[in-house]
Amino acid sequence: QLQLHESGPGLVKPSETLSLTCSVSGGSISTANYYWGWIRQPPGKGLEWIGNIYYTGSTFYNPSLKSRVTISVDTSKNHFSLRLSSVTAADTAVYYCAGYQLPYDPFDIWGQGTVVAVSS
Amino acid sequence: SVLTQPPSVSGAPGQRVTISCTGSSSNIGAGYDVHWYQQLPGTAPKLLIFANNNRPSGVPDRFSVSKSGTSASLAITGLQAEDEANYYCQSYDSRLSVYVFGPGTEVTVL
Repeated sequence: QLQLHESGPGLVKPSETLSLTCSVSGGSISTANYYWGWIRQPPGKGLEWIGNIYYTGSTFYNPSLKSRVTISVDTSKNHFSLRLSSVTAADTAVYYCAGYQLPYDPFDIWGQGTVVAVSS
Repeated sequence: SVLTQPPSVSGAPGQRVTISCTGSSSNIGAGYDVHWYQQLPGTAPKLLIFANNNRPSGVPDRFSVSKSGTSASLAITGLQAEDEANYYCQSYDSRLSVYVFGPGTEVTVL
């Protein structure tokens, strides 16, 4: 059974780059036939899709964040990563990694989430 | 939000409640599937029901969905205390090229 686990700094300074990693266990990120993605949830608010990646490296980003987002995959380490540049307080959120099997399918695997605060 | 939901609904134990999810011709109305997630306080969202009334293993059949035109609805019958949570609908919007979530609906069991 596939499981996801996010890791990374819980505090990032304004204007710096947020970096998170999602480790995949219970299977290979390359052969699981999943699209891997990131979703965030600001405090007390709803969910916002950030972007996805396939194990081949093909990416698909939310246009509203595209200029600041990079999602990458490392098949040798069985994990994928998120980088969000030039962060502001508005980027403070719980960040979830998640996965779905085919385009437009539901996100049926979720990590437990990691809190990232942007503050000096 | 591209998808709209009522902020809250409530009901007594055993009652039936429904949560609407209203979109437009570029998402629900375009035929993209609507999926629903349940988020208990302090936890990650969990897939509750997807597409045409498909439930992951372990989700009771008290949860069901319907879809018509540019809207979808989640129904919870036989409401239980454990159903208190936030519920989010999700689809894809072809005009914006994004996976979109509704703002969420808080269900309270009276």
